[in-house]
Amino acid sequence: DTGVSQDPRHKITKRGQNVTFRCDPISEHNRLYWYRQTLGQGPEFLTYFQNEAQLEKSRLLSDRFSAERPKGSFSTLEIQRTEQGDSAMYLCASSLLTGVQETQYFGPGTRLLVL
Amino acid sequence: SQKIEQNSEALNIQEGKTATLTCNYTNYSPAYLQWYRQDPGRGPVFLLLIRENEKEKRKERLKVTFDTTLKQSLFHITASQPADSATYLCALEDPQNKLIFGAGTRLAVHP
Repeated sequence: DTGVSQDPRHKITKRGQNVTFRCDPISEHNRLYWYRQTLGQGPEFLTYFQNEAQLEKSRLLSDRFSAERPKGSFSTLEIQRTEQGDSAMYLCASSLLTGVQETQYFGPGTRLLVL
Repeated sequence: SQKIEQNSEALNIQEGKTATLTCNYTNYSPAYLQWYRQDPGRGPVFLLLIRENEKEKRKERLKVTFDTTLKQSLFHITASQPADSATYLCALEDPQNKLIFGAGTRLAVHP
């Protein structure tokens, strides 16, 4: 399978714990995005990378959230001191930016439940 | 800032009919607009992209229109089937060249 993969698919944690999610993009893609999605809403942008550089972070991304893409390949999203409001689906997407046009390919998501 | 509006109410139609979903945006016209399908518990899947200089784009039973004067895109599924039931998301680029998504419209096709 050469699509975007995410791990784990589901995570249940207690409030205050740290969690880390991993995303493996499509191999030749240079952009990688993280989104959060809650029920009945579209994906909300969190942050994105072009190669290993983190180019933008949303104001939604509090200082408890950190993302890395150390070698321009896979990425991790860590949430420290989780809160119940962090419960959501976390989606990763990758794309190959060619010119001005971009299509994103999404992974299956990681569903987080904070108790 | 750009806002995307999609019908929040579910669209219920009979099998075989044409489903039409609407996406309106409020601010600048993007260079292109995209439609994605999302099934419950899964990530969105890209369907179609239409550029600002294209009025219409087709792919099998899907048709997308893009009216920059009305700031609107319409997404049509002809000869709809129960398997078309899903949430359909409209997305367009912001000035920083990243995608902004609408909340999506849920389509239910009944046999």
